[in-house]
Amino acid sequence: KAGVTQTPRYLIKTRGQQVTLSCSPISGHRSVSWYQQTPGQGLQFLFEYFSETQRNKGNFPGRFSGRQFSNSRSEMNVSTLELGDSALYLCASSIGTGSAYEQYFGPGTRLTVT
Amino acid sequence: AQSVTQLGSHVSVSEGALVLLRCNYSSSVPPYLFWYVQYPNQGLQLLLKYTTGATLVKGINGFEAEFKKSETSFHLTKPSAHMSDAAEYFCAVRRMDSSYKLIFGSGTRLLVRP
Repeated sequence: KAGVTQTPRYLIKTRGQQVTLSCSPISGHRSVSWYQQTPGQGLQFLFEYFSETQRNKGNFPGRFSGRQFSNSRSEMNVSTLELGDSALYLCASSIGTGSAYEQYFGPGTRLTVT
Repeated sequence: AQSVTQLGSHVSVSEGALVLLRCNYSSSVPPYLFWYVQYPNQGLQLLLKYTTGATLVKGINGFEAEFKKSETSFHLTKPSAHMSDAAEYFCAVRRMDSSYKLIFGSGTRLLVRP
């Protein structure tokens, strides 16, 4: 079974621009979560989608948004990019509930804002 | 609020030596507990998880962890380090309710000396 796919793997943007990152979950997984990883703040939860609905949200400004499509693929968007948005953005797809719930991570998209 | 503390941002061991990576959590009730490994330029891979039941959990690549409620700890061990174990390790928790977000520790980079 194919793993979680994230595109693009690397991205360079200029301050003030916007960016869209894509995540294709493992086949059959209906939940997708997004995390931001930076050297200073570590791994931080952005949001989680299940069946096209945002189910959980982290403490990020409104510039960070996401959505999930009917085929479970997800996108996240960051508008008005700031230098501090430079990070590795990880997507995780999940299956199961309760104790059986496990997250499988993609390789990430490394975003550099100049 | 839940939090995770990983003692030691860097741990160095000799090949063949015992690996011990420390993780303590703060939670009003025992959460689900996880250890993930991240190799350079890759996403996170699940090593093992504790949900309920047996407190000694065995994972992949010879790693295991013991849940100690009285110490609020979930330390990761491996009897004999291999060069391929060099990576960054993250401890994470998730609440035992409808929350599906992971809260990560700051990570421990394991260095293995030949």
